[in-house]
Amino acid sequence: SAVISQKPSRDICQRGTSLTIQCQVDSQVTMMFWYRQQPGQSLTLIATANQGSEATYESGFVIDKFPISRPNLTFSTLTVSNMSPEDSSIYLCSTQGGVSDTQYFGPGTRLTVL
Amino acid sequence: RKEVEQDPGPFNVPEGATVAFNCTYSNSASQSFFWYRQDCRKEPKLLMSVYSSGNEDGRFTAQLNRASQYISLLIRDSKLSDSATYLCVVFMNTGFQKLVFGTGTRLLVSP
Repeated sequence: SAVISQKPSRDICQRGTSLTIQCQVDSQVTMMFWYRQQPGQSLTLIATANQGSEATYESGFVIDKFPISRPNLTFSTLTVSNMSPEDSSIYLCSTQGGVSDTQYFGPGTRLTVL
Repeated sequence: RKEVEQDPGPFNVPEGATVAFNCTYSNSASQSFFWYRQDCRKEPKLLMSVYSSGNEDGRFTAQLNRASQYISLLIRDSKLSDSATYLCVVFMNTGFQKLVFGTGTRLLVSP
């Protein structure tokens, strides 16, 4: 499976600010995914990011709040905009594995919004 | 109804015990199924894929019942290191491909 890294690993941010999370993969991948895991909850898909096209957002998530970039086949960013305490969560990126429907996850970014 | 449902637990078992988790899914179009393991403050890691009626990997056995729309995970001879949250995950391809995660079942193995 690909090796996935995320930066930052954690951050504490003030309400109203924005944070950009980076996801780097050590090999080229077609599809990358961004998930949110709120405290005590399971993972919820935010959006799917394909290189060269706009991200596809799941119901309840919008581009203005969670803009995503996918400039090449090894990198993606997720921005959490105009943050509120409700955005406090772990944000994870993932990529597809060797078999198209498996996914492997980065270590996550733990975000706390005050 | 949630798309993927699991008993949250926790399941408290002694070392050496056998423990089983069940998971039900609501969408009959679901194509493939997985169990992921998530340790505290860590990312989920793929434990097993379940593509047909089931498969076995060492102490772990996963079974799928498409007619009843449930998946199970059996852990034999539990180890302390098996303590984690086990996530039932369903792959759907209904126009958009996506994984849907259950809320997880927490397992605590004690000495």
